[in-house]
Amino acid sequence: AQSVAQPEDQVNVAEGNPLTVKCTYSVSGNPYLFWYVQYPNRGLQFLLKYITGDNLVKGSYGFEAEFNKSQTSFHLKKPSALVSDSALYFCAVSPPRGNNNDMRFGAGTRLTVKP
Amino acid sequence: GAGVSQSPSNKVTEKGKDVELRCDPISGHTALYWYRQSLGQGLEFLIYFQGNSAPDKSGLPSDRFSAERTGGSVSTLTIQRTQQEDSAVYLCASSPWTSATDTQYFGPGTRLTVL
Repeated sequence: AQSVAQPEDQVNVAEGNPLTVKCTYSVSGNPYLFWYVQYPNRGLQFLLKYITGDNLVKGSYGFEAEFNKSQTSFHLKKPSALVSDSALYFCAVSPPRGNNNDMRFGAGTRLTVKP
Repeated sequence: GAGVSQSPSNKVTEKGKDVELRCDPISGHTALYWYRQSLGQGLEFLIYFQGNSAPDKSGLPSDRFSAERTGGSVSTLTIQRTQQEDSAVYLCASSPWTSATDTQYFGPGTRLTVL
């Protein structure tokens, strides 16, 4: 069965510094990978996804993520963090040729960007 | 356009009572999902509806949980004889199709507190 791990519960960065939120996955075959963000008292919002093609995926709000098959990772990155990026970030994986109800989410990483 | 809406936004109930949580998906979306978000636990898949097909109930934690989707649109998640461990945020999401590459669109959630 597919699974995803977010090894850090909390990530703290200073505004203007680069940020990385880590995600590793376990699935048979080539996965579909997603990042969602949850702002306080809001539902999850889609950030970006990797389906196929270029390993570097660019998404909303200046975020990007790199699919690394050899390391089974899909880390979320941003070159320069903003205080408004502070939120809860979820990585998710779907198996190839599966249905969307097979998507599994990580436990989430809380990002805090300090001014 | 209108996104996924959920009601109520907050629900406080006493142990042993039944509760109903409502989800209005995005118009035209054929797939609908319910998740439970507990502190530090990430998103737990509960149930999935796709068109008129039989729902995938594999994530429901006990027979106290049930869900319906009437007319392929609005869905209601019912928890009978609530327990304190049912306290969580219940999230609903919808997507246009059932493909594993589809983005899910989330509602703001219902925060359930069982006293």
